[in-house]
Amino acid sequence: NAGVTQTPKFQVLKTGQSMTLQCAQDMNHNSMYWYRQDPGMGLRLIYYSASEGTTDKGEVPNGYNVSRLNKREFSLRLESAAPSQTSVYFCASSGGFQETQYFGPGTRLLVL
Amino acid sequence: GENVEQHPSTLSVQEGDSAVIKCTYSDSASNYFPWYKQELGKRPQLIIDIRSNVGEKKDQRIAVTLNKTAKHFSLHITETQPEDSAVYFCAAEDSGTYKYIFGTGTRLKVLA
Repeated sequence: NAGVTQTPKFQVLKTGQSMTLQCAQDMNHNSMYWYRQDPGMGLRLIYYSASEGTTDKGEVPNGYNVSRLNKREFSLRLESAAPSQTSVYFCASSGGFQETQYFGPGTRLLVL
Repeated sequence: GENVEQHPSTLSVQEGDSAVIKCTYSDSASNYFPWYKQELGKRPQLIIDIRSNVGEKKDQRIAVTLNKTAKHFSLHITETQPEDSAVYFCAAEDSGTYKYIFGTGTRLKVLA
């Protein structure tokens, strides 16, 4: 099992450009999450999907949109990138309530 | 909603000594508390977790204690080794949701 995979691993964008970060899991998990981690900082929740067909805002949703494409895939879209969105983005998945979240390897995003 | 505070932010110990990291949470209805270790440039990985129906859990050199009355939980690492050097995050699952609220992290340095 690959666990949680993310693409791309690294991306450079110019201000105003758009992009989609992809996440997939092969653990048959119901819940999926997107976090951002700024240098020397903790993990802040952007959006999450408790189950297929549902999405909810987290702590820092502004400037982002998500799509739960199916049970396996959860994408994060930046419509108009800003330098403040420079960060490392982690996707995670879990079986649900009181279950462990497993993290993907992360996507490093630099917005110039 | 839930709020998690973590202390200390940095901790240096001599190899072989013990390390203790403490977290407090605000929502008395929270029932699941995982701990993650994040090495430099890597993804967070679960090292131990505890549910509210137990007060302590051990896994080799790592233990977690939970005091529900005082709303705090702690990570204990004994016989520390250089490979224990990393950032450690505590988290509490927000009651009634599938979200974790993370602490701000503790950078542990084990000095050889």
